[in-house]
Amino acid sequence: GENVEQHPSTLSVQEGDSAVIKCTYSDSASNYFPWYKQELGKRPQLIIDIRSNVGEKKDQRIAVTLNKTAKHFSLHITETQPEDSAVYFCAARYSGGGADGLTFGKGTHLIIQP
Amino acid sequence: DGGITQSPKYLFRKEGQNVTLSCEQNLNHDAMYWYRQDPGQGLRLIYYSQIVNDFQKGDIAEGYSVSREKKESFPLTVTSAQKNPTAFYLCASRDRAGTEAFFGQGTRLTVV
Repeated sequence: GENVEQHPSTLSVQEGDSAVIKCTYSDSASNYFPWYKQELGKRPQLIIDIRSNVGEKKDQRIAVTLNKTAKHFSLHITETQPEDSAVYFCAARYSGGGADGLTFGKGTHLIIQP
Repeated sequence: DGGITQSPKYLFRKEGQNVTLSCEQNLNHDAMYWYRQDPGQGLRLIYYSQIVNDFQKGDIAEGYSVSREKKESFPLTVTSAQKNPTAFYLCASRDRAGTEAFFGQGTRLTVV
């Protein structure tokens, strides 16, 4: 099965600076990589995703990059704001053998310092 | 809210009892999923169903059971065989032709 590693577990940045969260995956059959933001006690919400046929995707202050060869992908948040403080999860979907479901990393607690 | 509803929001269970968590969606999604979330951990897949009357075990299915009698509903039963059931349980659904999974608000289960 798939295994997703996420780093760092905690990230503290000054407001206005950039934040980068990195993930690696193990199954080369995975072809879909979403990022979710979860505020305390609430459900995860999709913020950006990327398919394996694309190397980079950007949506305003958020971007995701994917390196299929190295099997890693990263979330980049620029010009961070206090409302960016949350736990961020990367995930990968494996498609081999008819299996389904997302495999998640353990999360990164992003803290934006005023 | 978001078309996928979980109930109850909080649930307390005595040791040795089975409890059932409800998940209903009106998004006409074929696929539905149950995840478990523990503090400081990512979400782990318990069960999933890609179509009515069919479901598959995820990574941590032991001590859990599900049914999928209707497209809209995918209830999860936490049985007495689950030795550490206290957790936050999240249900999700997805259109099989799409990619994004939509999550419910979650049920926080506590064993007392």
